[in-house]
Amino acid sequence: QVQLQESGPGLVKPSQTLSLTCTVSGGSISDDDYYWSWIRQPAGKGLEWIGRIYIRGITTYNPSLKSRVTISVATSKNQFSLKLSSVTAADTAVYYCARTYSRSWHFDPWGQGTLVTVSS
Amino acid sequence: QSVLTQPPSVSGAPGQRVTISCTGTSSNIGAGYDVHWYQQLPGTAPKLLIYGNSNRPSGVPDRLSGSKSGTSASLAITGLQAEDEADYYCQSYDSSLSVWVFGGGTKLTVL
Repeated sequence: QVQLQESGPGLVKPSQTLSLTCTVSGGSISDDDYYWSWIRQPAGKGLEWIGRIYIRGITTYNPSLKSRVTISVATSKNQFSLKLSSVTAADTAVYYCARTYSRSWHFDPWGQGTLVTVSS
Repeated sequence: QSVLTQPPSVSGAPGQRVTISCTGTSSNIGAGYDVHWYQQLPGTAPKLLIYGNSNRPSGVPDRLSGSKSGTSASLAITGLQAEDEADYYCQSYDSSLSVWVFGGGTKLTVL
């Protein structure tokens, strides 16, 4: 079964760039049926979709974050990555990666999540 | 404030039936976009419970069911068990915002 695992620094300074990687195991990131998404959740709050990427490099971003977000894919490593620039304390959250079904647009499975804190 | 509106909390005794509503608008649920439901246990990632309004992934018990009508959707849980105590989120697509959106979440307490 497919599993996803997030990795990256847990602490980022304000104004710097947050960088996370999601490693996919048990399946291929090149599968045409799926997109690959990033979603975040501030402590005690709800979920916010950040953006997604398709194997052909097609990306779609949340308009509220679009100016700061870049999602890329490394097919040889079966990984996709998130970069969020100019971070502030408001970007402190648990960041999840998730597989996205291309027909009904649901997210399954999810990675376990990684907490990123923005602080000096 | 979330685009999809859920009650902050619901509760029920073991064995009872509870429903969680998810209210949207004509640009998301009412536009015909599918609704999906997730369960989030404390300290864990969300887990898919219902996709495509009413479909259960393998391994999800049939005492959980989903429905959709107009601009709203519902998740029903029958035969409530202690292990059902968690946060529940609905999700859909909003065409006016061009984003995949989630409800604010509902905390289910088993009394």
